[in-house]
Amino acid sequence: DAKTTQPTSMDCAEGRAANLPCNHSTISGNEYVYWYRQIHSQGPQYIIHGLKNNETNEMASLIITEDRKSSTLILPHATLRDTAVYYCIVRVALGGTSYGKLTFGQGTILTVHP
Amino acid sequence: DSGVTQTPKHLITATGQRVTLRCSPRSGDLSVYWYQQSLDQGLQFLIQYYNGEERAKGNILERFSAQQFPDLHSELNLSSLELGDSALYFCASGTGDTEAFFGQGTRLTVV
Repeated sequence: DAKTTQPTSMDCAEGRAANLPCNHSTISGNEYVYWYRQIHSQGPQYIIHGLKNNETNEMASLIITEDRKSSTLILPHATLRDTAVYYCIVRVALGGTSYGKLTFGQGTILTVHP
Repeated sequence: DSGVTQTPKHLITATGQRVTLRCSPRSGDLSVYWYQQSLDQGLQFLIQYYNGEERAKGNILERFSAQQFPDLHSELNLSSLELGDSALYFCASGTGDTEAFFGQGTRLTVV
């Protein structure tokens, strides 16, 4: 699986958009970009994933650059409960040898402050 | 609630002992993944089972073993426990290509 690079930490004011970047310059054509978050020792929580196109769900938006070498997770209106470690993961699609394994890096510690 | 159930939530045991952690996947999920999270190592993939068969192996020690039963629940067995095995152990389930859903973990403390 391709390696990802994320900033160690970021701050965001409550109510503002949180934009979390991720670099995955060695991503292959059959690899998806996944985002998970972990709130204080709870189980990691799935947020969103995408292959090429931008994606949006009730939690967040995922913007993937055209060359797919980087992406940005956007939390449109951050709240204090969004304070967590956010993980960007590149994962091989169905049929790949890793068959769904998620490889977590160190992630970005997002702190949302009042 | 992710739908993945892990038991027990907390476990305290002595060095040299053996413990079993249990995971019930979401209904319909065929894959089960086990992860270990210690303070200095982050989330480490241990092993994956798919419909009863071992599918992928990560940094799992020989003292550790796992299995997935016909009803798809899984158990992670940790033996000859050492202080360094103290960690959070997470189970996740999914259907291979889709997102994986994590349980709330078992916190193991070895004293």
